[in-house]
Amino acid sequence: DARVTQTPRHKVTEMGQEVTMRCQPILGHNTVFWYRQTMMQGLELLAYFRNRAPLDDSGMPKDRFSAEMPDATLATLKIQPSEPRDSAVYFCASGPLGDREETQYFGPGTRLLVL
Amino acid sequence: DAKTTQPTSMDCAEGRAANLPCNHSTISGNEYVYWYRQIHSQGPQYIIHGLKNNETNEMASLIITEDRKSSTLILPHATLRDTAVYYCIVRAPRWQAGTALIFGKGTTLSVSS
Repeated sequence: DARVTQTPRHKVTEMGQEVTMRCQPILGHNTVFWYRQTMMQGLELLAYFRNRAPLDDSGMPKDRFSAEMPDATLATLKIQPSEPRDSAVYFCASGPLGDREETQYFGPGTRLLVL
Repeated sequence: DAKTTQPTSMDCAEGRAANLPCNHSTISGNEYVYWYRQIHSQGPQYIIHGLKNNETNEMASLIITEDRKSSTLILPHATLRDTAVYYCIVRAPRWQAGTALIFGKGTTLSVSS
């Protein structure tokens, strides 16, 4: 049963520290999405990639967030410096190309708390 | 902004069918209707999707009205494990711009014994 994996599952850090979240998409999937979920805003799209190329990162605060795909099996989301308002659950999702409807499959999330 | 309207919450008795409605009156001709759910503390889970025809899989059935302005997700025999937030989403095919999922508030379904 192929799944999206995310590490770490939980992260507590202090304001100003760098945070790196990692995602391993399902093998063979060509699209990767990063979402953030908070009680106030719900699920928000931060960025997404197709064939490792960034297509849309308009949802990310550009000054502190960055998203990359070093290779087809790894996507990273970095926050530097982190702030308390970044506390949220960050989800990664992947989907197959060649699938007309591009269904997305979500990972379990990284729960981030910035003190 | 989400293009869908869903009730905030619904209740269902275990073993009964759960019918979750969704209004999408501004849906375009090539936009699909997707349903996802999110069980507490987990990532969203894909349920089903459709364009015009009714669809059924091992999890649920999707009924889309002929004018495509609304749809209903049916869980035929709800169990306690179906308690979750259910999201109805409309989106264009991948080759169009802005094909990411836009989540609204969803419907919180509570299944009780």
